[in-house]
Amino acid sequence: ETGVTQTPRHLVMGMTNKKSLKCEQHLGHNAMYWYKQSAKKPLELMFVYSLEERVENNSVPSRFSPECPNSSHLFLHLHTLQPEDSALYLCASSQDLRAARPTGELFFGEGSRLTVL
Amino acid sequence: GQNIDQPTEMTATEGAIVQINCTYQTSGFNGLFWYQQHAGEAPTFLSYNVLDGLEEKGRFSSFLSRSKGYSYLLLKELQMKDSASYLCAVMDSNYQLIWGAGTKLIIKP
Repeated sequence: ETGVTQTPRHLVMGMTNKKSLKCEQHLGHNAMYWYKQSAKKPLELMFVYSLEERVENNSVPSRFSPECPNSSHLFLHLHTLQPEDSALYLCASSQDLRAARPTGELFFGEGSRLTVL
Repeated sequence: GQNIDQPTEMTATEGAIVQINCTYQTSGFNGLFWYQQHAGEAPTFLSYNVLDGLEEKGRFSSFLSRSKGYSYLLLKELQMKDSASYLCAVMDSNYQLIWGAGTKLIIKP
């Protein structure tokens, strides 16, 4: 069983749909992250949560809405997305926030491949 | 601005050696990471360098020169399973990770 689990693995949605991505970590980590990965581009950090509190929001459009109900779960709610939002959305966790290795090392989920029509 | 550069794609032969370079310009430095990402899979941690020099871990080694803003990942005795993307990331003075776009490594028989 992987330490960080993401569902769904694939999602196709229209621009008017509302959907959510789910992430669960089984590692007892304190920090969780949402990243966007587009082809041939660097990973883009979207949101960071530490101990269930959002500590970073990197100018992400409001059509993306994160939620962290507890330290093990992270959601990304999607609403009225645009075709350019199609990408792989990666969830990650680390033992501590703003730390180098080993406690700052990221553990990633396999991602949710999102296609917006 | 902060920037990480690495080649977009490289091709190498099974059994050979390949070196993937990464140059960086960041606001401060708290270490450099290499991650491996197979197609359709999660990125996984490979190595971490914070001091100058070479860190060896089996077939993989990572080198760092802080004065030159330069690192490389060296893969020896290449195997087909090493076909993947390799992501370079630098942790800046605020412990933020700055990522490169990744190098896609293609291994040919």
